[in-house]
Amino acid sequence: KNQVEQSPQSLIILEGKNCTLQCNYTVSPFSNLRWYKQDTGRGPVSLTIMTFSENTKSNGRYTATLDADTKQSSLHITASQLSDSASYICVVSLYSGAGSYQLTFGKGTKLSVIP
Amino acid sequence: SQTIHQWPATLVQPVGSPLSLECTVEGTSNPNLYWYRQAAGRGLQLLFYSVGIGQISSEVPQNLSASRPQDRQFILSSKKLLLSDSGFYLCAWSVAGGPYEQYFGPGTRLTVT
Repeated sequence: KNQVEQSPQSLIILEGKNCTLQCNYTVSPFSNLRWYKQDTGRGPVSLTIMTFSENTKSNGRYTATLDADTKQSSLHITASQLSDSASYICVVSLYSGAGSYQLTFGKGTKLSVIP
Repeated sequence: SQTIHQWPATLVQPVGSPLSLECTVEGTSNPNLYWYRQAAGRGLQLLFYSVGIGQISSEVPQNLSASRPQDRQFILSSKKLLLSDSGFYLCAWSVAGGPYEQYFGPGTRLTVT
C-alpha cells in the first residue's frame, strides 16, 4: 500500500533554533517528492520538489533531502522564525500508468516556533 | 501570472442542505483541476480531479459531486450535506500532462451543523 509517514506529528522549538522534519514513504513507482507549508486556515504552498535523481534542494532557510534508496526525506529549517509556525506536508507522486500520476499525502508535522 | 480563487471562504450549513463551492483559475489554459478535503488532524484527501471540461474522476465514493462547466471553473456540490462533510475544502490546479506542481487555493471552511 502506498503510504507517506511523517514525524514528529508536532514540534515546538524556540525562535532562532534549527529543526528537522522527517518523511518516510512506501510509494512506488516514485516520480517526485514535494514539501508544502500550510499556514492555519490557508491552502498549502510549495517549498521544494525533488525528482529521483536529486538528493538535496534548498529554498532560502528550507533545505530538503531525499534518499530514494531508503525512501526517506527530511526538511531542515535553519534559524527558525515565528512565521515558520505552520504544518509541513510531505507529498509523494507516483506514476499510475497511461500518463497519469497520483499524489499521496502525509498527515503533516505541526511546527510551532515560540519566542 | 496564475491565480486560483475559491468561495465562499467559510460556510455553515445545516445537515440535509445543499452545497455548492466554486473554484476558478486565471492565467492558464486547460489546467488539471482538483478538489481535496482536509479533516481536522488528518491529511489531504483527494475527492475529484478533472483533466478537461466535463471530465471528472472521483477518488472517493460519497455524497459529493463535482462539475467542470468551463475550462477554468470547478464546482463541488452536494444535494444533502452530512455531518461528516465538515472540513476544509481545497481546490488546486496543475499543468496538464505530468506530475507537475499543484497550486492550491485559499480553501473553504465548511461546518455542517
